[in-house]
Amino acid sequence: SAVISQKPSRDICQRGTSLTIQCQVDSQVTMMFWYRQQPGQSLTLIATANQGSEATYESGFVIDKFPISRPNLTFSTLTVSNMSPEDSSIYLCSVRFPGVQETQYFGPGTRLLVL
Amino acid sequence: GNSVTQMEGPVTLSEEAFLTINCTYTATGYPSLFWYVQYPGEGLQLLLKATKADDKGSNKGFEATYRKETTSFHLEKGSVQVSDSAVYFCALSRYNNNDMRFGAGTRLTVKP
Repeated sequence: SAVISQKPSRDICQRGTSLTIQCQVDSQVTMMFWYRQQPGQSLTLIATANQGSEATYESGFVIDKFPISRPNLTFSTLTVSNMSPEDSSIYLCSVRFPGVQETQYFGPGTRLLVL
Repeated sequence: GNSVTQMEGPVTLSEEAFLTINCTYTATGYPSLFWYVQYPGEGLQLLLKATKADDKGSNKGFEATYRKETTSFHLEKGSVQVSDSAVYFCALSRYNNNDMRFGAGTRLTVKP
């Protein structure tokens, strides 16, 4: 089965700084997504990462705060910019594979603590 | 709009007890339904899924049946183990729709 990896697995950052999270899949995917899971909460979709074009953001999320790149079919990055303690969350990437409609598979997550 | 409602936790059971976690959904058309599990410190793992009415998804002793008439997808396991302690999320997804909707999650603790 395919492997979805994320880097870093966790980080502690100072407010006002930025962190870039990487998501790498070892086989081609059709779709890539980024989610946020605030402490003790469910998942909220941040954006769909589109290959070679701007990401599609959900209501309440903006590109200036969460810039996303997807340069190829198997790799994407999410940057959390100008961080505040409210950004402390788990950030998860998920993917869809060809021929498996609707099902999303998740990476292990990046645990971010902002001080 | 599409939404998922899960029973509130936390749920605490003794080993070998029977587990039910209720999940109901609201959706237009015919969504696919999922259960994901999140073990401590990990991401979400797909536990099982069902794509049409009356389908039963099963994995690792867990089962859930897609009930269109009651718009439900309850998760069951006949005999839980300590290793089943985790947070369980019910979710739905529509064909050609990127938006997967998750329930609030139910934390299960199984005691020896």
